[in-house]
Amino acid sequence: AQKITQTQPGMFVQEKEAVTLDCTYDTSDQSYGLFWYKQPSSGEMIFLIYQGSYDEQNATEGRYSLNFQKARKSANLVISASQLGDSAMYFCAMREDFYGNNRLAFGKGNQVVVIP
Amino acid sequence: ETGVTQSPTHLIKTRGQQVTLRCSSQSGHNTVSWYQQALGQGPQFIFQYYREEENGRGNFPPRFSGLQFPNYSSELNVNALELDDSALYLCASSSGSSEKETQYFGPGTRLLVL
Repeated sequence: AQKITQTQPGMFVQEKEAVTLDCTYDTSDQSYGLFWYKQPSSGEMIFLIYQGSYDEQNATEGRYSLNFQKARKSANLVISASQLGDSAMYFCAMREDFYGNNRLAFGKGNQVVVIP
Repeated sequence: ETGVTQSPTHLIKTRGQQVTLRCSSQSGHNTVSWYQQALGQGPQFIFQYYREEENGRGNFPPRFSGLQFPNYSSELNVNALELDDSALYLCASSSGSSEKETQYFGPGTRLLVL
């Protein structure tokens, strides 16, 4: 069963505008972690932001913030003031306690293209 | 940059051959995880090594095997290559295997099997 769902089609965003990327997840664990990674065309996965299931505040890292709605099992990424360098694939990932290690389950990604 | 390096960057093999991919973890990190990313998909967890021991494995056949060395660098070996093994192989390092550790990825190795 798919644990991370990212269903948005590719998105075009105007430079300097904000964009929200949707992520829903499925788990029966009470303790888990949610991550967002950015993957430019070069292929490297770049860590952006982390949200723990017990964190009461939404995570923020610079221009990145996470809209965490635990009851709805969603963890949407908001990128503010988009820049041309934000053009990339964005992946939502979840780590569950069940496995006793920190393996990540990834979604299929969201493609973002920032236009000037 | 994360300090995680992988070699080679690109590789072309033919069906049935064997391949070894290498990963050097970030300084201070003792855990390495390997992922396979097929074209248009998210990465899939292959396995993880923590202090030279395998610490979890995903849904991959035994012809995918690995090693971790005392300096915490790691190898991924794939025997009897199949066309579907063509993918980007990513390694990630972290400073432990607990659920609180963030994984930092290398640039990946692109493998093409003909």
